Amino acid sequence: SQTIHQWPATLVQPVGSPLSLECTVEGTSNPNLYWYRQAAGRGLQLLFYSVGIGQISSEVPQNLSASRPQDRQFILSSKKLLLSDSGFYLCAWSEQATSGNTIYFGEGSWLTVV
Amino acid sequence: QKEVEQDPGPLSVPEGAIVSLNCTYSNSAFQYFMWYRQYSRKGPELLMYTYSSGNKEDGRFTAQVDKSSKYISLFIRDSQPSDSATYLCAMSDSGGSNYKLTFGKGTLLTVNP
Repeated sequence: SQTIHQWPATLVQPVGSPLSLECTVEGTSNPNLYWYRQAAGRGLQLLFYSVGIGQISSEVPQNLSASRPQDRQFILSSKKLLLSDSGFYLCAWSEQATSGNTIYFGEGSWLTVV
Repeated sequence: QKEVEQDPGPLSVPEGAIVSLNCTYSNSAFQYFMWYRQYSRKGPELLMYTYSSGNKEDGRFTAQVDKSSKYISLFIRDSQPSDSATYLCAMSDSGGSNYKLTFGKGTLLTVNP
């Protein structure tokens, strides 16, 4: 069966510091990978998605970036965090071959920028 | 008009009640409909998946899709305190952008023992 791991689960970072969130998927090959952010009262916001190694599409302009160095690894980064970057970050995956694309989420990472 | 509308609640019901959760949408191209359950401080988990119009039942949960009205529902029978969570509807079309889902903002449900 497929599993998704995301870390760290919780972090508190000062404004201006860098960020790195990591996500790996097991039990599947060549998945679509996603980074979402969930802010209170604002629902799920798609930040980045990737259909393959090195292929990243950005949905929202911001000071975040994403990379996919390996087939089942997805990384969310920032060089300098802003207060507005606080939120709940979710990595997710889906099968490329599946029409309708059910998306499966990781446990999430709580980021507080202080 | 937002693409997907979902009443945020909160919705509070007694244990054993029948719960009805709903979403409306504006994009007639949506063909795939999902419900996710999200416990506090956890990632959403897929609860129900439906293609096109009709009903789908899984245990105490029933998902309904009415494409003519652009309206989807999730019914929970014999609700339990463990059903207390935020419920998110999600949907996608079947076109080239089918790797994306459009989500509602979620309805917070509390089932009181």
